[in-house]
Amino acid sequence: GAVVSQHPSWVICKSGTSVKIECRSLDFQATTMFWYRQFPKQSLMLMATSNEGSKATYEQGVEKDKFLINHASLTLSTLTVTSAHPEDSSFYICSAPDSGLSSYEQYFGPGTRLTVT
Amino acid sequence: QKEVEQDPGPLSVPEGAIVSLNCTYSNSAFQYFMWYRQYSRKGPELLMYTYSSGNKEDGRFTAQVDKSSKYISLFIRDSQPSDSATYLCAMHRGANNLFFGTGTRLTVIP
Repeated sequence: GAVVSQHPSWVICKSGTSVKIECRSLDFQATTMFWYRQFPKQSLMLMATSNEGSKATYEQGVEKDKFLINHASLTLSTLTVTSAHPEDSSFYICSAPDSGLSSYEQYFGPGTRLTVT
Repeated sequence: QKEVEQDPGPLSVPEGAIVSLNCTYSNSAFQYFMWYRQYSRKGPELLMYTYSSGNKEDGRFTAQVDKSSKYISLFIRDSQPSDSATYLCAMHRGANNLFFGTGTRLTVIP
């Protein structure tokens, strides 16, 4: 299957600072990538859809000015958590369908654990 | 009502048992159904992918979809301790964003 990587895998930051998380499709092109957030013992919640070359689409309740998404190439999307607060501490996971396939299989990255102190 | 319902468990079974995991959904437009396995502090891993109603088998795993009942299942035969994880069902309409169940935590006891 296709491989999606995320960097960093784990980050601790102080309240008020910004953190950037990268999501890369390593062996396929992804015109679309998805960003999810997962709190402990809960399922994944879609935050936004990242589209290469255009603005991201945010889910209801997700602040687009706080969670900045950039999809600059067919293999890279970034999520920047601006002015992070402790309540932003969570597991952030990206996924991407392989644009070259007619199926709708999505491949997930390993996730980034963010802790805001 | 959530679009996808899944019993969160936890579910504990002895090694070698047959495990049955289930999800129900409310949106009849869903056509693509998936099961993901997620180990603690890791991203979900795609296990099974099915389109519309029917069965699909892959090794010890069988995925079943009953669109008339809006019900999907994942069966694990000869369960192993390494199967201990959270299992998430997911589905979509053909647009790319997935709708997830809450996940079922499974523990297989040696």
